Amino acid sequence: DTAVSQTPKYLVTQMGNDKSIKCEQNLGHDTMYWYKQDSKKFLKIMFSYNNKELIINETVPNRFSPKSPDKAHLNLHINSLELGDSAVYFCASSQVPPRETQYFGPGTRLLVL
Amino acid sequence: DQQVKQNSPSLSVQEGRISILNCDYTNSMFDYFLWYKKYPAEGPTFLISISSIKDKNEDGRFTVFLNKSAKHLSLHIVPSQPGDSAVYFCAARIGYALNFGKGTSLLVTP
Repeated sequence: DTAVSQTPKYLVTQMGNDKSIKCEQNLGHDTMYWYKQDSKKFLKIMFSYNNKELIINETVPNRFSPKSPDKAHLNLHINSLELGDSAVYFCASSQVPPRETQYFGPGTRLLVL
Repeated sequence: DQQVKQNSPSLSVQEGRISILNCDYTNSMFDYFLWYKKYPAEGPTFLISISSIKDKNEDGRFTVFLNKSAKHLSLHIVPSQPGDSAVYFCAARIGYALNFGKGTSLLVTP
């Protein structure tokens, strides 16, 4: 029973393509997040949704668009992929902050060629 | 601008000894601090946390110490076990966002 799952686990694609990464959590949490871990291993928040509403939108190119169809899902769409988008993308979820810890998915390794 | 810093990229400790992982932060508005452990090809998993109003929290072999005046926290693992070998991330929270350090890779040798 995976608490936070992401698909696909690996994604290799060409520059200029559009791709999506899906995230689902079965923990009943209200808040979901997307993080990016770049080649320097920094883990940075990109977006956060609480009850399907966007509450954090860090300085991320508008080629990245999160979509939350319901509380249990937060998908990440990336348009016109660039080489610099190559990274590991982690989805996470939590109950309403600030007390609750965040639970992470296994990550999606994106390689843009 | 990196608000959470882990200045030691790696640490090697013998099994049975104490592992001490350090973390410094710059933003005094952080109200909650967490340590996550990460194995290769997996997501970070929560290990232990501490509120900014406390100076120590203990959970089994893991203890986190917070020194607010120095803006410093540390994670102590005692005794260290080979299964503790992983990357440890320090994180600090404001509101909904976690700010992570770069991680320290811990190797516990038999």
